Amino acid sequence: GQNIDQPTEMTATEGAIVQINCTYQTSGFNGLFWYQQHAGEAPTFLSYNVLDGLEEKGRFSSFLSRSKGYSYLLLKELQMKDSASYLCAVYDYGGATNKLIFGTGTLLAVQP
Amino acid sequence: GAGVSQSPSNKVTEKGKDVELRCDPISGHTALYWYRQRLGQGLEFLIYFQGNSAPDKSGLPSDRFSAERTGESVSTLTIQRTQQEDSAVYLCASSLSPHLAGGPTDTQYFGPGTRLTVL
Repeated sequence: GQNIDQPTEMTATEGAIVQINCTYQTSGFNGLFWYQQHAGEAPTFLSYNVLDGLEEKGRFSSFLSRSKGYSYLLLKELQMKDSASYLCAVYDYGGATNKLIFGTGTLLAVQP
Repeated sequence: GAGVSQSPSNKVTEKGKDVELRCDPISGHTALYWYRQRLGQGLEFLIYFQGNSAPDKSGLPSDRFSAERTGESVSTLTIQRTQQEDSAVYLCASSLSPHLAGGPTDTQYFGPGTRLTVL
């Protein structure tokens, strides 16, 4: 089966740091994506991890541990505009398959 | 350049009617995907096109759902005899061919979606 878990909602304060966790159990794995989705808008690409470790991109970092089936997205120096849903997705690629398997998303509210 | 576009942005239909949803991918992207996002749920994969062929249709929920792609460009998702449970946001994404990109590191870029409401 395919199972991707992330918290439903989180709240954080402007200027702070927040970590959004994602655990996965999937039949295929070719990497893990994080997307940001503001209400009523398209998901936008944030990061991709295929090897274990931390990938840093400005205020956003993403970590992957394949042995633990675990990833997190770290957001630093939070801004009000970071209020959005954050989607964790496993990339399953091989043979005829080429798709993203998504968790339900974490709705982050940044408060002043 | 232009991103992925979808039309219509909103569609309200009556149960039992057929609907067509359109996707225009990013120019030059040979891979195209359809996903569905029901209220309070994660995105569900529906179908994947490589060029005009669909090697993976495993996510289509029933035979009422079909999709085609022409000219390695525009794609249409058709839902026949719509049911209330079909109400969702239908998202399209495109990416460069993973084969040309040299491996499975192919970022999917999403359109804004079509919000379908079946009354």
